[in-house]
Amino acid sequence: QQQVKQSPQSLIVQKGGISIINCAYENTAFDYFPWYQQFPGKGPALLIAIRPDVSEKKEGRFTISFNKSAKQFSLHIMDSQPGDSATYFCASWGTNAGKSTFGDGTTLTVKP
Amino acid sequence: GAGVSQTPSNKVTEKGKYVELRCDPISGHTALYWYRQSLGQGPEFLIYFQGTGAADDSGLPNDRFFAVRPEGSVSTLKIQRTERGDSAVYLCASSSTPGLAGSITSTDTQYFGPGTRLTVL
Repeated sequence: QQQVKQSPQSLIVQKGGISIINCAYENTAFDYFPWYQQFPGKGPALLIAIRPDVSEKKEGRFTISFNKSAKQFSLHIMDSQPGDSATYFCASWGTNAGKSTFGDGTTLTVKP
Repeated sequence: GAGVSQTPSNKVTEKGKYVELRCDPISGHTALYWYRQSLGQGPEFLIYFQGTGAADDSGLPNDRFFAVRPEGSVSTLKIQRTERGDSAVYLCASSSTPGLAGSITSTDTQYFGPGTRLTVL
């Protein structure tokens, strides 16, 4: 049973546009929600993360919006650049719980 | 400082053989995780170590998979009697001791290695 569902599977955006990727989780015990970026042949790298006590977190061009009641969170990439082209994964887990769950990924292509 | 390293970067083996995959975590990180990533999918949790002990091994698919971390640093993932379905990228990650609820600190972040691509022929 997949506990984290991510959409869309792929996304094409023009340079300068906004990329939006969505994630839904099931386990209400989760309290840590990161987004990871992965380039081909590399391991995932943390992009930004949020805890459920806030509804939004912004770091540069990247913003996480969090809706605790709907059990959903999303990644917004403002002013998308060709260098942002990568696969993005949402994840969630409970602090001190160890076991983490990742979404299936979104392949983002930013066209110049 | 150095990040998480994994060796080998690529491993090709034959069905039925035994393989060992190694992970060197970031120095001082007490938590270590193994994941398996198949093509087009997200990392799938296998096992989590806190120090030397396996705190959660519920993701190991069957008893052919085993992992150790005898001194609380380097970890080895061992796969016996490999099957073609074991072919995937095996990722290792490490983090500091999980932080307190209500705060996000670097202790929550899992830092991933580049992975070992395992191909079972």
